[in-house]
Amino acid sequence: QVQLQQSGPGLVKPSQTLSLTCAISGDSVFSNSAAWNWIRQSPSRGLEWLGRTYCRSECYVDYAVSVKGRITINPGTSRNQFSLHLTSVTPEDTAVYYCARATFYSSSSNWYFDLWGRGTLVTVSS
Amino acid sequence: QSVLTQPPSASGTPGQRVTISCSGSSSSIGSNTVNWYQQLPGTAPKLLIYSDNQRPSGVPDRFSGSRSGTSASLAISGLQSEDEADYYCTAWDDDLIGYLFGTGTKVTVL
Repeated sequence: QVQLQQSGPGLVKPSQTLSLTCAISGDSVFSNSAAWNWIRQSPSRGLEWLGRTYCRSECYVDYAVSVKGRITINPGTSRNQFSLHLTSVTPEDTAVYYCARATFYSSSSNWYFDLWGRGTLVTVSS
Repeated sequence: QSVLTQPPSASGTPGQRVTISCSGSSSSIGSNTVNWYQQLPGTAPKLLIYSDNQRPSGVPDRFSGSRSGTSASLAISGLQSEDEADYYCTAWDDDLIGYLFGTGTKVTVL
């Protein structure tokens, strides 16, 4: 059974870097049909996709326009984890952060999020 | 457009049919399929419908989806008390090169 286990601090000071890790059990960042995503949810912004990484012979990333320039998503060297780093955080970045797997559906050439972590509440406050 | 638009709320009595709309643009729903998620309080969203109208294993067939033009819909027929939750649509946007989520609809069973 594939599972995603999130870890990281729940409190980050303004202007610092938010860092979270998602450990994958039962799958790999090098899976041919999967992409690994970070999504956040807050009352003010709703659900917001932040970015993804997917690895084939090499690894690729895509980032949301709203956080581009502040975000880095890295696949882990162990092939079984990926991480999120968000720099220069403000209270606006306070949210529940989820890691999620997207699976490719070849019939329509589209992806869907079929597996989610349990979420990590990250509060940005001094 | 940076979000997909949904009505904030919908309601019905047990057994009724409820429909939730999701409005996007030519670069999002007009070009890509739509997925729907159900979120119960305090939990992560759960995949309900993918590729407009496909149900994952384990999702009851009273949930159905459709897409036309730049809009999509989720229908819940035979509404049950356990369907009380928040529902979100999502689609890829070719212009933004990223996923958009809907604003969310809270379904209440009266």
